Amino acid sequence: QVQLVESGGGVVQPGRSLRLSCAASGFTFSNYAIHWVRQAPGKGLEWVAVISYDGSKNLYADSVKGRFTMSRDNSKNTLYLQMNSLKTEDTAVYYCARVGGWYAAFDIWGQGTMVTVSP
Amino acid sequence: QSALTQPASVSGSPGQSITISCTGTSSDVGGYNSVSWYQQHPGKAPKLMIYDVNNRPSGVPDRFSGSKSGNTASLTISGLQAEDEGDYYCTSYTSSDTRVFGGGTKLTVL
Repeated sequence: QVQLVESGGGVVQPGRSLRLSCAASGFTFSNYAIHWVRQAPGKGLEWVAVISYDGSKNLYADSVKGRFTMSRDNSKNTLYLQMNSLKTEDTAVYYCARVGGWYAAFDIWGQGTMVTVSP
Repeated sequence: QSALTQPASVSGSPGQSITISCTGTSSDVGGYNSVSWYQQHPGKAPKLMIYDVNNRPSGVPDRFSGSKSGNTASLTISGLQAEDEGDYYCTSYTSSDTRVFGGGTKLTVL
């Protein structure tokens, strides 16, 4: 079935790094742009970043620009989010989400992976 | 990019109708038809309910409908049911080629 599965979350100290992965199955991964969306505990959804279907285009929210890098390996059907210089305010559940076109809605979501940034 | 504005909470009795608004600017909601709505239950991932302002994905009941006027989009749920209770978020494509979410609305079915 069509699904996205995130992994790599955990507890990390401020200033350290973490890499999240998002594994896709059940569809032609290389045809789709993918976004990262996060949700801090008890808070709403926040858009984080997007990567185009071929990895040629990346865009980031101002809150993570210069610290987070999104990449993909279409041969492995996997997406990555490299998070550097982590801050306590980056604590959240991180979801990857597929879009059917660049302007399209998020039609498939992963289950999320929790990142906790704590001293 | 500022978050889209949604009411913090709405409520209704079973069988009633409710509407959730989502207000942005001409750089997001008002400028594009790429507005979508998501339902989220506690501890779960969001679920797409409406896309491109007023389209329902397969499997979403026709009790859910969307519309837009100017810089404000709306989600209407008619014939409220207990399982509709949860959090609802709107999102829009923006002129910066990014996305922006609303702050979320908690729907309570009385």
